[in-house]
Amino acid sequence: DAKTTQPPSMDCAEGRAANLPCNHSTISGNEYVYWYRQIHSQGPQYIIHGLKNNETNEMASLIITEDRKSSTLILPHATLRDTAVYYCIGTGGANNLFFGTGTRLTVIP
Amino acid sequence: GAGVSQSPRYKVAKRGQDVALRCDPISGHVSLFWYQQALGQGPEFLTYFQNEAQLDKSGLPSDRFFAERPEGSVSTLKIQRTQQEDSAVYLCASSLGATSSYNEQFFGPGTRLTVL
Repeated sequence: DAKTTQPPSMDCAEGRAANLPCNHSTISGNEYVYWYRQIHSQGPQYIIHGLKNNETNEMASLIITEDRKSSTLILPHATLRDTAVYYCIGTGGANNLFFGTGTRLTVIP
Repeated sequence: GAGVSQSPRYKVAKRGQDVALRCDPISGHVSLFWYQQALGQGPEFLTYFQNEAQLDKSGLPSDRFFAERPEGSVSTLKIQRTQQEDSAVYLCASSLGATSSYNEQFFGPGTRLTVL
């Protein structure tokens, strides 16, 4: 499984886009990039995943660079409820998700 | 609809006691996972079941940890002779299919274990 690197913390103003970066330079061709988030005192929640192409769903967008060595999770209009720890995970199989320490996003009113 | 539930939500044990943590996955989900989350850290994988078969237990930290899923639904994580370093949140997750391809994992709220 690919090792991922994320900044430990970020702030974002409410209503603005939150852009969370992730480096995964060792990712192999068949490994997906997954994003989960964990709100305080809750279990992690799946957000989105992708392989090569950019992806968008009702929660977020995922932009993956052409060389697949990095990606950015975009929350288009951050709200206070988006305050959480965001985990970027690179893996080829879902039976062993390696979460790392993630990015603590704080949305500021 | 019902999500993944875990019980108890909080457990305090004296060092040396045995504990049993229960996970009720989403009905019909084939795969079940246990994770351990220490304070300030991300969740760490413990073990994985496909139906009743325990296919991966590589993350279990010692032979004091034992997990079972006898009927392919409810799972129990048992920790024998608890130690202070076992204090953590224990998370259970389930997913619809087997892991031949990616399936979103749905997590329960966790059980916070404190060993005194």
